[in-house]
Amino acid sequence: QVQVVESGGGVVQPGRSLRLSCVVSGFTFSSFGMEWVRQAPGKGLEWVATVSYDGVDKYYADSVKGRFTISKDRSKNTLYLQMTSLRDEDTAVYFCAKESIPVGGLYYGLNVWGQGTTVTVSS
Amino acid sequence: QSVLTQPPSVSGTPGQRVTISCSGGGSNIGSNPVNWYQQVPGTAPKLLIYDNNQRPSGVPDRFSGSKSGTSVSLAISGLQSKDEADYYCAAWDDSLNGSVFGTGTKVTVL
Repeated sequence: QVQVVESGGGVVQPGRSLRLSCVVSGFTFSSFGMEWVRQAPGKGLEWVATVSYDGVDKYYADSVKGRFTISKDRSKNTLYLQMTSLRDEDTAVYFCAKESIPVGGLYYGLNVWGQGTTVTVSS
Repeated sequence: QSVLTQPPSVSGTPGQRVTISCSGGGSNIGSNPVNWYQQVPGTAPKLLIYDNNQRPSGVPDRFSGSKSGTSVSLAISGLQSKDEADYYCAAWDDSLNGSVFGTGTKVTVL
């Protein structure tokens, strides 16, 4: 079945780096854009980053621009989020999600979500 | 600070119809499709409505979406206890060149 599974979260000190991974299965990874969405404790959903189906186009929230990098490794069916210069406010559950429409589905929602991986930034 | 504004909470009794509003601007709701998500606390969000009013397979027709100008609404008819959850609207924002989520609405079934 179609699924995405995140990993890589943990406790990290401010200013340090962390890489999140999201292994996908059950669909053609190269045909769908992918996104990271986060949720701070007790807060709402916040979009973090998007990568296009072919890995070429990348978009970032202003809050993470210049610090986070989203990428796809099609040979490993894996989505990544490289996070650097982490701040206290980056503490959240990070969800990996698949766009619902192939090739250019930027606007049409995320229909498959992982259970999330928790990142805690604390000294 | 989200650019899409929702009421913090709505409530209703079983069987009732409730609506959740989501207000934005010309660069997001006014220009792009809107999607709705349902999130039961402690679980991952679920796509409920995409492209303003389309339901993914498996979503009951009790859920419906509509759009007018720079605002959208999600209606839940025949409210059930299992509909208790947080609901979020979302859209692409051309000015921000990114996606935005609404502030979220908690639905309570009385």
